[in-house]
Amino acid sequence: AQSVTQLDSQVPVFEEAPVELRCNYSSSVSVYLFWYVQYPNQGLQLLLKYLSGSTLVKGINGFEAEFNKSQTSFHLRKPSVHISDTAEYFCAVSNQGYQKVTFGTGTKLQVIP
Amino acid sequence: DGGITQSPKYLFRKEGQNVTLSCEQNLNHDAMYWYRQDPGQGLRLIYYSQIVNDFQKGDIAEGYSVSREKKESFPLTVTSAQKNPTAFYLCASRGQDSYEQYFGPGTRLTVT
Repeated sequence: AQSVTQLDSQVPVFEEAPVELRCNYSSSVSVYLFWYVQYPNQGLQLLLKYLSGSTLVKGINGFEAEFNKSQTSFHLRKPSVHISDTAEYFCAVSNQGYQKVTFGTGTKLQVIP
Repeated sequence: DGGITQSPKYLFRKEGQNVTLSCEQNLNHDAMYWYRQDPGQGLRLIYYSQIVNDFQKGDIAEGYSVSREKKESFPLTVTSAQKNPTAFYLCASRGQDSYEQYFGPGTRLTVT
């Protein structure tokens, strides 16, 4: 079985400040990891994914994430946030067979002007 | 423009009625998924289908049914057996050999 924990349900941050959204996972097998973003009343959009290779993954809108196998983490970072980054962010994990994807409970990022 | 459409955006039903949510994709994707989203609970998998005429239960399939008669369509029926059907429902699809799910805009179902 696999699971995902997003430690913060809400993260307020001032505009142009850096942000880190935390994600930890558990799995008995090798995994693929994903971050998705959801704007209000919309579907989810993929920000970035880790499949293999470099542990630092760059995504859209200036976001990046680092895969840390020893700490089973995949934290999302952005060096300078904008008002338009206000949204809910979901971390997700799948096994490498990709039968199912398990999503975290989400972190709401609120960017304060 | 390729993508996934879900209709309607908002749906209201009386308790005890079955209701069917539409999901159509023109991405030529083999796999399709239905998720339920409730505040603070993330996305929970209801059903998924990896090929036409085949589908599997997800984590919370009780009270729901699906069909996959065509590659581009994966409708979800919320039956009267679903105890708490009010939620935001998201449909997604994935291409073969791809690890990205593409999501539709969602349907917000309210049952009173």
